[in-house]
Amino acid sequence: GAGVSQTPSNKVTEKGKYVELRCDPISGHTALYWYRQSLGQGPEFLIYFQGTGAADDSGLPNDRFFAVRPEGSVSTLKIQRTERGDSAVYLCASSLSPNSPLHFGNGTRLTVT
Amino acid sequence: KQEVTQIPAALSVPEGENLVLNCSFTDSAIYNLQWFRQDPGKGLTSLLLIQSSQREQTSGRLNASLDKSSGRSTLYIAASQPGDSATYLCAVISMLTFGGGTRVLVKP
Repeated sequence: GAGVSQTPSNKVTEKGKYVELRCDPISGHTALYWYRQSLGQGPEFLIYFQGTGAADDSGLPNDRFFAVRPEGSVSTLKIQRTERGDSAVYLCASSLSPNSPLHFGNGTRLTVT
Repeated sequence: KQEVTQIPAALSVPEGENLVLNCSFTDSAIYNLQWFRQDPGKGLTSLLLIQSSQREQTSGRLNASLDKSSGRSTLYIAASQPGDSATYLCAVISMLTFGGGTRVLVKP
């Protein structure tokens, strides 16, 4: 596609439920990043993939958060046992290679009630 | 650990005035730095990427400078317009770290 696509654009879930957020990067981009952004703050790094492997997952807040990129293209961020504090906009970005310019999707707004 | 700071958090200027947005970082061993614009409820739009070997980068009314020794980057927007109203974010890409952003309002 022409840009990074994230689905759904909005997700409302109840506390304790499981959610999956999807990211379709720009075709040919080997690097993929997940960030989380709370209102009025800058994006907070979660995890970075180079190809199929997680090159850096140091930003994942705890073991309820997990992400995969099985074929080196689409990535899914998975959150188990959601908590109200997980409510935020989850942003995905891709780049042609590490240290190349980042291209962001429009994000998924997650609300945990 | 790299820390990126943007001060002020918010800025209001009359139309036509030049904008100067600041970005400070603590670790000068950066590879590159990227400036973004974010409109409310939207993702981030890339404005400029400046490599560590460059001193500045220009695109239209935008100019970004980089001074690694002082740990600073500055984004200049000439002759501001109401359409420039947005939040501007800087990021040290190689260290995966963003600043908190500067929210800009250009008043007609």
